[in-house]
Amino acid sequence: DSGVTQTPKHLITATGQRVTLRCSPRSGDLSVYWYQQSLDQGLQFLIQYYNGEERAKGNILERFSAQQFPDLHSELNLSSLELGDSALYFCASSGGAAREGPYNEQFFGPGTRLTVL
Amino acid sequence: LAKTTQPISMDSYEGQEVNITCSHNNIATNDYITWYQQFPSQGPRFIIQGYKTKVTNEVASLFIPADRKSSTLSLPRVSLSDTAVYYCLVGDVFSGGYNKLIFGAGTRLAVHP
Repeated sequence: DSGVTQTPKHLITATGQRVTLRCSPRSGDLSVYWYQQSLDQGLQFLIQYYNGEERAKGNILERFSAQQFPDLHSELNLSSLELGDSALYFCASSGGAAREGPYNEQFFGPGTRLTVL
Repeated sequence: LAKTTQPISMDSYEGQEVNITCSHNNIATNDYITWYQQFPSQGPRFIIQGYKTKVTNEVASLFIPADRKSSTLSLPRVSLSDTAVYYCLVGDVFSGGYNKLIFGAGTRLAVHP
């Protein structure tokens, strides 16, 4: 158990709909990352938040957005869903502090499996 | 971020030592080398990280030659439960505060009885 929790575990929805995925980081971790893993594209970095502020952006679509709340949990919002959005969505957290070792080891949650029909 | 190249797949047998090599010819001075392990439908799990020479922990060893253009993850006496995908990542995790991990295709290790 990594200490990172994600809800829900599974989500089945229809095209055009909007869903929210939730992540609670390890206790004390300030950074939260979101990744998407689909069968044909591997693991893709989407976005990172550090202590409530966006820190880095990856291959995140404009239909997707995220935020990190004062209690450090994060939500990933996916809207106007398409069939190709079906994937495993992972959240990871790290301490975010400089030079902690292993350097910025990320702890991944169990993932949310999204199926768009 | 330095591009990495690793074998797509490997096969081994229980009890054998497995070495997975990753090439990273464009590694920069501040880059660290990190390996993650992923089981099906689970999030990746950190295995080991190093900068140069050799690093060993309770599950693996990481060998990095002096030129740092490659690295080898060594798994001693593998068991069936080591069947997973192994990712090699190279980067300066503190560059501009960006800590995004760039995962390649990884190496699919299959351990047979």
